[in-house]
Amino acid sequence: GQQVMQIPQYQHVQEGEDFTTYCNSSTTLSNIQWYKQRPGGHPVFLIQLVKSGEVKKQKRLTFQFGEAKKNSSLHITATQTTDVGTYFCAGPYSNYQLIWGAGTKLIIKP
Amino acid sequence: GAVVSQHPSWVICKSGTSVKIECRSLDFQATTMFWYRQFPKQSLMLMATSNEGSKATYEQGVEKDKFLINHASLTLSTLTVTSAHPEDSSFYICSAQQTSGSTDTQYFGPGTRLTVL
Repeated sequence: GQQVMQIPQYQHVQEGEDFTTYCNSSTTLSNIQWYKQRPGGHPVFLIQLVKSGEVKKQKRLTFQFGEAKKNSSLHITATQTTDVGTYFCAGPYSNYQLIWGAGTKLIIKP
Repeated sequence: GAVVSQHPSWVICKSGTSVKIECRSLDFQATTMFWYRQFPKQSLMLMATSNEGSKATYEQGVEKDKFLINHASLTLSTLTVTSAHPEDSSFYICSAQQTSGSTDTQYFGPGTRLTVL
């Protein structure tokens, strides 16, 4: 069946270092969405990418959608403590549902 | 932006009782809502798709008689956990789908923490 693989599961960084998480789908996606879940909170929608090769930026966050529309990445430049949380990617499954990546947990080293 | 609320935020109940969780889209209409379950440190697991005015579609392995879903209006879906047991303790999250042009976006509720004693 359709799968969305997300790596790494965890990433420990020093504050100020960069962070990247990657998603790969077993099938071509019409779009891919990214969510952030703060510890103890619920996933919050960040962005949706639709076009092949699309790159979008939100301040220090850069989102990319691959040319084949099967992979995507989220890159955070110069991480801050407010970036802590789990980042999920999700791709459409059937007409209504999303299939989720397992999430990448961003941990700031003390 | 679109807001989805859930009520209650958390609930503790005794084993064998039933618990109802409400999911509301506050400033948009949602023909489709989804119910997820999330275990600690895991991604959201889709339980069922709730369609306004029709029966919910359940994912494989989810007992429809145990997790009753009602989507009676375009802004409200309810999930009732019947005869709850400790293994049902989890974080339940709903989302409501908003369609704008050709783009469907899910907006998530804040979640309901269920603890069954």
